[in-house]
Amino acid sequence: GAGVSQTPSNKVTEKGKYVELRCDPISGHTALYWYRQSLGQGPEFLIYFQGTGAADDSGLPNDRFFAVRPEGSVSTLKIQRTERGDSAVYLCASSLRIWVGVLIYEQYFGPGTRLTVT
Amino acid sequence: GNSVTQMEGPVTLSEEAFLTINCTYTATGYPSLFWYVQYPGEGLQLLLKATKADDKGSNKGFEATYRKETTSFHLEKGSVQVSDSAVYFCALSDQGSGGGADGLTFGKGTHLIIQP
Repeated sequence: GAGVSQTPSNKVTEKGKYVELRCDPISGHTALYWYRQSLGQGPEFLIYFQGTGAADDSGLPNDRFFAVRPEGSVSTLKIQRTERGDSAVYLCASSLRIWVGVLIYEQYFGPGTRLTVT
Repeated sequence: GNSVTQMEGPVTLSEEAFLTINCTYTATGYPSLFWYVQYPGEGLQLLLKATKADDKGSNKGFEATYRKETTSFHLEKGSVQVSDSAVYFCALSDQGSGGGADGLTFGKGTHLIIQP
């Protein structure tokens, strides 16, 4: 079946503009995660959704960042008043989070959106 | 907080050489441990995982053993191939009673280059 998809694959925007990044998870996956990967670094956790609600948003760097998942499937990461330091690859992952004696939640990653703020 | 430290790259080896990529971690809970791989031009893929102490994860000839006493999860392969050239990430996640703390904490990544 189809994997996690993200659009756009590349986004160039000017400093101060608003951007939206979209993630389409694997069908049936209840959990969805956003990460940010700066050049030469590992992915950094931003936010995790279980269903429609944000179960953990402790990784969002500040209040310019916001994410929604209104119907428990597609998610949108929104960045207001973009800054050059927001330039990075934004990764989305989804998982089928189930308990079978131990929590099974292998995360499947999308190809990412490369955001460049000029 | 949680953190993962892995050896700096790039690591350059000849084909059929033995590979070790070191990974150590700090965690407040009792984490699950993962190795992810990113091949050129592709997204992150889970390579292997271990969920409790002394578990050995293995896949595609790669192995890693969860060592609680040394807080380590070193990646090994007996004979590498050119096709193993990629960036390898060690990661952990706190399995908990649910809610929160499910995001992965990644190391910085190790770029592996295998020469023919």
